[in-house]
Amino acid sequence: NAGVTQTPKFQVLKTGQSMTLQCAQDMNHEYMSWYRQDPGMGLRLIHYSVGAGITDQGEVPNGYNVSRSTTEDFPLRLLSAAPSQTSVYFCASSYSKASGSLAKNIQYFGAGTRLSVL
Amino acid sequence: DAKTTQPPSMDCAEGRAANLPCNHSTISGNEYVYWYRQIHSQGPQYIIHGLKNNETNEMASLIITEDRKSSTLILPHATLRDTAVYYCIVRVFKAAGNKLTFGGGTRVLVKP
Repeated sequence: NAGVTQTPKFQVLKTGQSMTLQCAQDMNHEYMSWYRQDPGMGLRLIHYSVGAGITDQGEVPNGYNVSRSTTEDFPLRLLSAAPSQTSVYFCASSYSKASGSLAKNIQYFGAGTRLSVL
Repeated sequence: DAKTTQPPSMDCAEGRAANLPCNHSTISGNEYVYWYRQIHSQGPQYIIHGLKNNETNEMASLIITEDRKSSTLILPHATLRDTAVYYCIVRVFKAAGNKLTFGGGTRVLVKP
């Protein structure tokens, strides 16, 4: 059981280049999301998906596109990379369980992709 | 989701209990308290969550005050590997969505 897998782990881009950050999960989770984390700061939500074919914007969506053609995969595309997009990107997936007295939403995070845009 | 307030940093001696406070005075009745941590350069990791009652699992204990305006995460026997940033997050349960809002967290340094 691999959990959430992100590739690549490191990437350097030139301004204006495009690329896709890959995220895959093998836990059959419906919900997936992308966050970015800048140095010394908390995580900020970029885009999320509540199931295959459904995506929505988070708090910092500009410059990024996503799609969700399968339950397992949720790639993040940088259309035209800018230095402001230098960051660490985390993908997460989660399940929900509304049972008993303690319903739960628990997110599982990947190891991150460290992106530098020159 | 309710706002949370945590101390920016704290130290703890290895082998001792670490008590991490979190204030969430505007919490509403249907909001849960979640704790995550982020070890350096890794993705955040779920620790524990609760609604009203105290909760315990293999990683930690969560103590929620009776008025639910504050909570404490307890790491019973801190190890060096527990050095991390700990995030307290308050949110409602949503079956179809699960956006987490991470604040500044508490940077915990476990010292030998």
